This record gives sequence, structure tokens and C-alpha cells, in this order.
Amino acid sequence: EAGVTQSPRYAVLQEGQAVSFWCDPISGHDTLYWYQQPRDQGPQLLVYFRDEAVIDNSQLPSDRFSAVRPKGTNSTLKIQSAKQGDTATYLCASSFRGLQLYFGEGSKLTVL
Amino acid sequence: GDKVKQSPSALSLQEGTNSALRCNFSIAATTVQWFLQNPRGSLINLFYLVPGTKENGRLKSTFNSKESYSTLHIRDAQLEDSGTYFCAAFSNTDKVVFGTGTRLQVSP
Repeated sequence: EAGVTQSPRYAVLQEGQAVSFWCDPISGHDTLYWYQQPRDQGPQLLVYFRDEAVIDNSQLPSDRFSAVRPKGTNSTLKIQSAKQGDTATYLCASSFRGLQLYFGEGSKLTVL
Repeated sequence: GDKVKQSPSALSLQEGTNSALRCNFSIAATTVQWFLQNPRGSLINLFYLVPGTKENGRLKSTFNSKESYSTLHIRDAQLEDSGTYFCAAFSNTDKVVFGTGTRLQVSP
């Protein structure tokens, strides 16, 4: 069975540029999470979905970050007008009915 | 806000010794998951727990929901146990909050 797939693995941007990260969860998993992990810190929840619905996006910096999961399967996290403070690894995880999380390998973002 | 505190923040062990890591929750956790993040950054699942205890080889984990804590015991530490250990607390809305991490270095 395929695990959680994320792309791209790496992205390097200048400040002010935009980037999108894509996540393909494990087939059949209804809950999908996006986390931001700055260097030497723990993962911090940005947003999570159950099927196509956003359950909690209170930690998403809404002015520049957006996330969608239109068909309840794949998801995209977009950062517009990136800042140096956005430098981090962006992790996607999925679960079935709130059971254990399975993580992808992450997308490492560097903003110069 | 929701907080999950881990202790210690860093730990050095010699091969063959034992240790315990702890997670304290300020949220009402229903389940807990422990991960090891390896030097490549991959999060490896160690345990997923309802209240109680699980054991897997040299690792054992306990989750006490009434007292809002979880522990991870490492027996006979090996070099490959090095990395950062995270606990994650699940709420009854499926929100999952990560702890601050424990960085473990095992030396010969």
C-alpha cells in the first residue's frame, strides 16, 4: 500500500514569490493534516480536513497561506508572497477516523 | 493555547543504558502517538496508544489520560535510537498537537 506522498521535496524561493505543496494521502483516509516544522522545533498544526471540509484552520496565517482539499482526497497548501520566516519543512499526514497519523516525507522550503 | 510539554529537552545516553521520556498534556487527550524523527527528517511511528501500556522490543510506552501524561521507556539504548522523539496528543475532535521534542544522542 502506498504511503503519504508529498511534492515537491524541496523548494527555494526569493521573498515575495509563491509556492504550492501537494499531498496525496493514503487511500481511504478521511482526515488530512498539514503541519509546519521550523528547524529544531516540533511540528505545528496549520490546518486539518475531514473529507473536503476544513475542521480547524485557526493556526493558518490566512493572509498568505491557504489550503484546499476539494474532492476529499489530495490536498494543496499554497503560500503567497513568501517570507524568510516561512522557511520550514511542511509535513502532510493522514489518518482514518482519527486513528494514528501517517506522515509523508515533507517538503522543505527555504526562503532567501 | 493547547500545549504538550516534553521532558527532558535533550538527553545523552551510553549504549546499553536505560531512560524515560515524558509528555505532559494541557489538553484533554484521548489517544497519544509517539514518533522518532530520524536525521533525514522522517517521522517514524513508534506507538499509538489509548490509555494503558504498550511494549515493542526495547521500547515501552504508557498513557495515563486521568493524570494527562505519557511516558516512553527505552531499554538497552542502541546507536540507532538517536534522533528526536515527539509525542502527539489527539483530542476528541481529531485535532493532533505535537510536543516540543526530546533530542536523544546515544554514544558508544
